[in-house]
Amino acid sequence: KNQVEQSPQSLIILEGKNCTLQCNYTVSPFSNLRWYKQDTGRGPVSLTIMTFSENTKSNGRYTATLDADTKQSSLHITASQLSDSASYICVVSGGGSYIPTFGRGTSLIVHP
Amino acid sequence: GAVVSQHPSRVICKSGTSVKIECRSLDFQATTMFWYRQFPKQSLMLMATSNEGSKATYEQGVEKDKFLINHASLTLSTLTVTSAHPEDSSFYICSARDNKGDSFTGELFFGEGSRLTVL
Repeated sequence: KNQVEQSPQSLIILEGKNCTLQCNYTVSPFSNLRWYKQDTGRGPVSLTIMTFSENTKSNGRYTATLDADTKQSSLHITASQLSDSASYICVVSGGGSYIPTFGRGTSLIVHP
Repeated sequence: GAVVSQHPSRVICKSGTSVKIECRSLDFQATTMFWYRQFPKQSLMLMATSNEGSKATYEQGVEKDKFLINHASLTLSTLTVTSAHPEDSSFYICSARDNKGDSFTGELFFGEGSRLTVL
C-alpha cells in the first residue's frame, strides 16, 4: 500500500532558528516527491519537487533532500520567520496510481 | 506561475440548498483535477478524481449523488454539494494537474479553497 508518513506531527520553534521536517514513504515505483506549504485557510503552495535523480533542491530558505534508497525526504527551514508558521505537506507520486499520496502534514509554529 | 482559481472562496447557505464550487486552471490545461475536503487542523482528504469528459471517480465513503462533479472542459471542474446539511460545512480544495507531463510528473497546482458553512 502506498503510504507517506510525516514527522513530527507538530513543531514549535523560536524565530530565527532552523528546523527539519521528515517524510518517509513506501510509494513504489517512485516518480517524484513534492513539498507544499499550506497556510491556515489557504490552498497548498508548492515549495519543491524532486525526482529520483535529485538529492537536494533549494528554494530560498527551504532545502529539500531526497534519499531514494531509504525512501526518505527532509525539508530544512533556515532562519525561520513568523510567516513560516503553516502546515507542510509531503506528496509522493508513483506507486502505480495516478493519484498522488499525501502525508498528513507537519504543523509548524514559529514564535517570536 | 500557473494559477488555479477557485470560486467562491466563502459561501454560506441554508440547509437543503445546493452549492456549486468552481475550479479553473487559468493558464494551463488539466485533464485531471482532484477535489479534497479539509476539517480544521486536519489533513486534506481526497474526495474524488475528476477527469475531463468522463465520470468522476469517488473515494470510498463519498456519496457521488451528494457531491456532484462535472469536468466539462480542460480548464474547469465543478463540485456541487446537493441538499447541503450542517455536517457538510468544511473547507473544500481543488487541485489541477498540468497536462504538460504525464499522470505522475504533471505539476499539481492547488486552488485557494472554498469555505462552506451550512446553517
